[in-house]
Amino acid sequence: EAGVAQSPRYKIIEKRQSVAFWCNPISGHATLYWYQQILGQGPKLLIQFQNNGVVDDSQLPKDRFSAERLKGVDSTLKIQPAKLEDSAVYLCASSSPTNGINEQFFGPGTRLTVL
Amino acid sequence: GEDVEQSLFLSVREGDSSVINCTYTDSSSTYLYWYKQEPGAGLQLLTYIFSNMDMKQDQRLTVLLNKKDKHLSLRIADTQTGDSAIYFCAEMGGSYIPTFGRGTSLIVHP
Repeated sequence: EAGVAQSPRYKIIEKRQSVAFWCNPISGHATLYWYQQILGQGPKLLIQFQNNGVVDDSQLPKDRFSAERLKGVDSTLKIQPAKLEDSAVYLCASSSPTNGINEQFFGPGTRLTVL
Repeated sequence: GEDVEQSLFLSVREGDSSVINCTYTDSSSTYLYWYKQEPGAGLQLLTYIFSNMDMKQDQRLTVLLNKKDKHLSLRIADTQTGDSAIYFCAEMGGSYIPTFGRGTSLIVHP
């Protein structure tokens, strides 16, 4: 079974530029999560999708961050414009509602550096 | 909001037992998890425990839960160099939104 795929793996941009990340979850997983992991901290949930609907985006800075999950499969996370404090690893995870313990399967992440 | 706290570092000798501790604040936690993160990789579920359990054993791993004190621990028996990683404690309550701790870096030296 293929895991969660993310691209790019690394991105370096200057502040005020825009950037987009892509995630392909495990086939059949209805729930998709985007996390921000700042160095030395645990993952912080940005947004959670159930199929193509948003379940929770309370911690998403909506003035600069946006995310979509068209057709309930792949997802993109965009930052526009980026700030220095957005430097972090952005993790995508997916889970299946049939998994009773809500195990999340994580991708390798995209490491973003904002200069 | 909910909070999960962990110590940041643990260093052990190969063959010894490792104990990683975690405290949480959400009294409605249903599941508590331990995830492992190796360098350059995403998190991987190591083990979990239901909130109505006190202990769970899975090969070299033992999870202890003290619900009264909201304290969770992970014991790794016979720690190997391959166990060197960051271990994250996480809890999930009625909101079904998981909250992660900052992670404990486990360093295993010969």
